[in-house]
Amino acid sequence: ETGVTQTPRHLVMGMTNKKSLKCEQHLGHNAMYWYKQSAKKPLELMFVYSLEERVENNSVPSRFSPECPNSSHLFLHLHTLQPEDSALYLCASSQAWDRGYGYTFGSGTRLTVV
Amino acid sequence: DQQVKQNSPSLSVQEGRISILNCDYTNSMFDYFLWYKKYPAEGPTFLISISSIKDKNEDGRFTVFLNKSAKHLSLHIVPSQPGDSAVYFCAASALNRDDKIIFGKGTRLHILP
Repeated sequence: ETGVTQTPRHLVMGMTNKKSLKCEQHLGHNAMYWYKQSAKKPLELMFVYSLEERVENNSVPSRFSPECPNSSHLFLHLHTLQPEDSALYLCASSQAWDRGYGYTFGSGTRLTVV
Repeated sequence: DQQVKQNSPSLSVQEGRISILNCDYTNSMFDYFLWYKKYPAEGPTFLISISSIKDKNEDGRFTVFLNKSAKHLSLHIVPSQPGDSAVYFCAASALNRDDKIIFGKGTRLHILP
């Protein structure tokens, strides 16, 4: 365990389903991130929350909707996804402006859209 | 446009030998560089970092070299061990861009017995 916990580990959903990914950290970090890892592509930053406010949305389609109710929890709500959205979704956290170790990542949720 | 490039998708090295993973970047504003290691079914974990004011940082078997003029960095692992088999991500950040970390595609390292 790295201190960042993601659930579920695996998710299969149909294109008309609505599901949510959950991320939790108890490291005392004040910034949280959602990344998407697709095959043969760099880790793509999706959303950044700093002090519970969204500070960045990297042109992510509206079928992905993040929520950060507090500094320890981050959600990614999914609805009407496409098969090309199948990927590993990684949550990360950091202590903003502390550059030492970069981000602490969770183990990810492997999402398959059918 | 990829700002952090790892041009070798995979690399195979004999156990006990040196593994050298390479990374190039295009953004001259990057001033902090990191390497992450990722095992299957796990998230990336921090391995080693280097600030642009240095050209070398060493931590046990791992050494990162930075060549700013060439916008190139490399990770050396010596001696390579079976547990080093993983995907290695090069990453970079720029202080004036809120420290957002940009990742490369990764290089899969296979340590051969």
